[in-house]
Amino acid sequence: DTEVTQTPKHLVMGMTNKKSLKCEQHMGHRAMYWYKQKAKKPPELMFVYSYEKLSINESVPSRFSPECPNSSLLNLHLHALQPEDSALYLCASSHPSDRANTEAFFGQGTRLTVV
Amino acid sequence: AQTVTQSQPEMSVQEAETVTLSCTYDTSESNYYLFWYKQPPSRQMILVIRQEAYKQQNATENRFSVNFQKAAKSFSLKISDSQLGDTAMYFCAFRAPGAGSYQLTFGKGTKLSVIP
Repeated sequence: DTEVTQTPKHLVMGMTNKKSLKCEQHMGHRAMYWYKQKAKKPPELMFVYSYEKLSINESVPSRFSPECPNSSLLNLHLHALQPEDSALYLCASSHPSDRANTEAFFGQGTRLTVV
Repeated sequence: AQTVTQSQPEMSVQEAETVTLSCTYDTSESNYYLFWYKQPPSRQMILVIRQEAYKQQNATENRFSVNFQKAAKSFSLKISDSQLGDTAMYFCAFRAPGAGSYQLTFGKGTKLSVIP
């Protein structure tokens, strides 16, 4: 199984809503990532969890709140977003950086629109 | 800091022909990993091929191969016998090795269109 599964695939939310994005993998990876991707741009790293602990937060606004309940699951909680937060949100997983085989596997993403 | 440059924003190729996508990078590291990812309209980033800098042999995966020139810091992707399903954005990416190193540095991408 080389899949990273993200739900939902599409999400439209108002600026006062609270919603969550979910990501799941069963490859035994102990590193999981959230990326944000604007149209025609490369992905930008938001957060990294390594062994279920937050390892990297790339100065992301607090309206984005990540959570890693266990080694297979990663959530991104959204609250009070702005229209400029509309983007494709990609989840990825990999072996931890202390392993040689560190390529990241990506999910299909959640297309988020903030209205 | 590492940088990755893809100098071709868009390319097109006839079906069944061969195309080469360029990527150059800048780093002071001696060992690192390089990747090509493909992102079709379906949005999923798919790993096409990986290269470890300490390996001199160029990586190959079926119709995809790389020309890795470490001294020139060049990592081009060759697609042979292009197929319609190869139409996608292609991103070159760099990753430093070592514990705590998770950042993938992406190039800006090359949009490849395969023409029937």
